[in-house]
Amino acid sequence: DAKTTQPPSMDCAEGRAANLPCNHSTISGNEYVYWYRQIHSQGPQYIIHGLKNNETNEMASLIITEDRKSSTLILPHATLRDTAVYYCIVRLRSSNDYKLSFGAGTTVTVRA
Amino acid sequence: DAGVIQSPRHEVTEMGQEVTLRCKPISGHNSLFWYRQTMMRGLELLIYFNNNVPIDDSGMPEDRFSAKMPNASFSTLKIQPSEPRDSAVYFCASAPGPNQETQYFGPGTRLLVL
Repeated sequence: DAKTTQPPSMDCAEGRAANLPCNHSTISGNEYVYWYRQIHSQGPQYIIHGLKNNETNEMASLIITEDRKSSTLILPHATLRDTAVYYCIVRLRSSNDYKLSFGAGTTVTVRA
Repeated sequence: DAGVIQSPRHEVTEMGQEVTLRCKPISGHNSLFWYRQTMMRGLELLIYFNNNVPIDDSGMPEDRFSAKMPNASFSTLKIQPSEPRDSAVYFCASAPGPNQETQYFGPGTRLLVL
């Protein structure tokens, strides 16, 4: 698996956009970028994933650079309930790549 | 649609006792995973089932741990005998198919072994 690098923590103001960076400079051409988050005392929650193109869903947007060496998860209007640890994970989508390697993630604190 | 269901949510037991954790995956999902989370080691994959068959159990710590999936809608993780170092949060996750699509996690079981 390609490794990812995320800042250990960041603060965000409620109602503002939260931009979470992730570096994955050794990503291979067929590896996807996945984002999960874990709210305190809950299980990890899938947010979004992408390969090359930018993606958007009801939770967030994912911006992947053209060289695919980094990406940014955008929470458009952060709320207090978005306070969580956010994990950026790079993986294949094949029967041989089933492990989700959760690193330390970024602890995001949304402040009122 | 119900998500992954785990029981019990909390378990406190004494060293040496048998512990059984239960998981009901999302209906229609063919892949099931058991993870363990501790402060020291983070989230670790213990075992992975596909179509009820164990595919990879290399993460199972030792012989005290065993997991079964008797049918598509139920799995158990058993620890016998339990030890204090087994204290952790145990998560079950399921995914739709064999190509490792998105994994959906349950709420976890918090295990404390005294």
